[in-house]
Amino acid sequence: KNQVEQSPQSLIILEGKNCTLQCNYTVSPFSNLRWYKQDTGRGPVSLTIMTFSENTKSNGRYTATLDADTKQSSLHITASQLSDSASYICVVSLHTGGFKTIFGAGTRLFVKA
Amino acid sequence: DVKVTQSSRYLVKRTGEKVFLECVQDMDHENMFWYRQDPGLGLRLIYFSYDVKMKEKGDIPEGYSVSREKKERFSLILESASTNQTSMYLCASSLNPFLRGRGGETQYFGPGTRLLVL
Repeated sequence: KNQVEQSPQSLIILEGKNCTLQCNYTVSPFSNLRWYKQDTGRGPVSLTIMTFSENTKSNGRYTATLDADTKQSSLHITASQLSDSASYICVVSLHTGGFKTIFGAGTRLFVKA
Repeated sequence: DVKVTQSSRYLVKRTGEKVFLECVQDMDHENMFWYRQDPGLGLRLIYFSYDVKMKEKGDIPEGYSVSREKKERFSLILESASTNQTSMYLCASSLNPFLRGRGGETQYFGPGTRLLVL
């Protein structure tokens, strides 16, 4: 069964600290993996996208990694800011003739002052 | 910048009412999508469209229909709203006519419509 699981479900950190969010997937055949950020009351916004051959992608203070062998991805946030408080959603796409994109349930991050 | 707008941010309807959710994108994107988002669950695809007047069922189409009469506009219709359709509804669009919505492209989301059915 194609699934995307994220951990932890929620996380509270202090401003300025680093954190890492995890994404495990059982999707096959794999096409690409994206991380989205969703602020409260808004739609998700793409942060990074990685294909099978890429194992690291950065976007400012956000760094995503991908291990296609173990089917794991992580999103590392450096020097967190209050504005990083949001849900982070891992999204994996299948490489098939039809449309299939699997969304994780998200990790809710709270950054405290 | 891509802009995807949705007609309402909040909506309250009664059971049995017909509900229209409108979505408009201004970047000439081929693909448009409707999702619902519920706590603890990932986004679930209701319907998508890769061209005007074309539509494909997603994972949970039951109780919904869609309309795409113009390229920039994609409407979601709840023919007879039920309480289990209370949810956040998200519209998205993407550009890549060759993949025809196969999930290889980045989707741009609207702000969402929070629907409450009483």
